[in-house]
Amino acid sequence: NAGVTQTPKFQVLKTGQSMTLQCAQDMNHEYMSWYRQDPGMGLRLIHYSVGAGITDQGEVPNGYNVSRSTTEDFPLRLLSAAPSQTSVYFCASRFTSYQPQETQYFGPGTRLLVL
Amino acid sequence: GNSVTQMEGPVTLSEEAFLTINCTYTATGYPSLFWYVQYPGEGLQLLLKATKADDKGSNKGFEATYRKETTSFHLEKGSVQVSDSAVYFCALSRASGTYKYIFGTGTRLKVLA
Repeated sequence: NAGVTQTPKFQVLKTGQSMTLQCAQDMNHEYMSWYRQDPGMGLRLIHYSVGAGITDQGEVPNGYNVSRSTTEDFPLRLLSAAPSQTSVYFCASRFTSYQPQETQYFGPGTRLLVL
Repeated sequence: GNSVTQMEGPVTLSEEAFLTINCTYTATGYPSLFWYVQYPGEGLQLLLKATKADDKGSNKGFEATYRKETTSFHLEKGSVQVSDSAVYFCALSRASGTYKYIFGTGTRLKVLA
């Protein structure tokens, strides 16, 4: 199993550009999520999905879109990049969203710099 | 609301020193509690977890006990190694429709040889 994979590893954008961060998992997990990690703020949830065709907002969704057309993939779209979106982005998955003790598995992260 | 508070870092220790990283939480009911570790340049990975009061999670020499009376889940290790240098995140999982994770801000540990 590859686990949770993310591409690209690093990206530089200019303000106003759009891009898609890719995330895939091969563990047949129902639940997938996107976080951003900023210094001194820990991980903040952007969007999440409890299954194919179902997505919902986390605590910092503005400026981001997601879709979940398959169980495996959960791309994150930046519609019009802003310097405030400079961050490290992590995709995560777990088997189900209905068991509190479920371990969450993380991808290696995408480091995004918006100029 | 639900929240996790961790001690601020960085924490710098000499090899073989005793480690404690404090974590307290606020949550309704009975959350599950986790410690995740992030090594340089990598994503987070589960270090240990506890799912009910008085449970002790342990892994790789690290331990943490779920203390409901003090709402704490402090991470300890008796003798740290240089390879333990990383960022440690405390987290809880509690229902609000679905079981979302809530993370602390992370504590950076640096172990010197």
